[in-house]
Amino acid sequence: GAGVSQSPSNKVTEKGKDVELRCDPISGHTALYWYRQSLGQGLEFLIYFQGNSAPDKSGLPSDRFSAERTGGSVSTLTIQRTQQEDSAVYLCASSLFGQGTDTQYFGPGTRLTVL
Amino acid sequence: AQKITQTQPGMFVQEKEAVTLDCTYDTSDPSYGLFWYKQPSSGEMIFLIYQGSYDQQNATEGRYSLNFQKARKSANLVISASQLGDSAMYFCAMEVGLTGANSKLTFGKGITLSVRP
Repeated sequence: GAGVSQSPSNKVTEKGKDVELRCDPISGHTALYWYRQSLGQGLEFLIYFQGNSAPDKSGLPSDRFSAERTGGSVSTLTIQRTQQEDSAVYLCASSLFGQGTDTQYFGPGTRLTVL
Repeated sequence: AQKITQTQPGMFVQEKEAVTLDCTYDTSDPSYGLFWYKQPSSGEMIFLIYQGSYDQQNATEGRYSLNFQKARKSANLVISASQLGDSAMYFCAMEVGLTGANSKLTFGKGITLSVRP
């Protein structure tokens, strides 16, 4: 079946603009995660959604970052007033809650460049 | 707090040889899972293998096996019969909590593996 998809694959924006990144998880997966990968910081957890539970936002670096998940499926990560340090690859992953190994399957990522 | 340590510099291996990629971890939680992912130059993160903290046997998936030494808190990945397509960055990651509970992954900094023909 289809894997995790993300759009856009690349996004170039100017400092101060808002951006929205989209993630479409594997069908039937109830858990959805956002991570950020940058040269200086490696792979960092941002936020996690599980079903109808309140999301775990403990990894969001500032209040400029927010995310929502509509209908328990598609998620949007929004970065307001982008800064150059926000430049990174944003990875989304999904997993099937309560099953086996909780393996997270990743999408191809969105490369964000803030000029 | 959880921590994953991958300290090897870039690794090189001859095609068809075996290679071991090191990973040590730190957590105070008795329940955890350890994962290895492969990230080729194209950027996608590909799941390779999983080991649960209560698993009695080392995990194996095709040419991949995990050398799990719980007392030493190490979870090394062994790739047998290396292929040119194995050239990539390899990440060790840990999830803390009971299986099925789902939680965030903590990643190591990764190891670059280059397979020589």
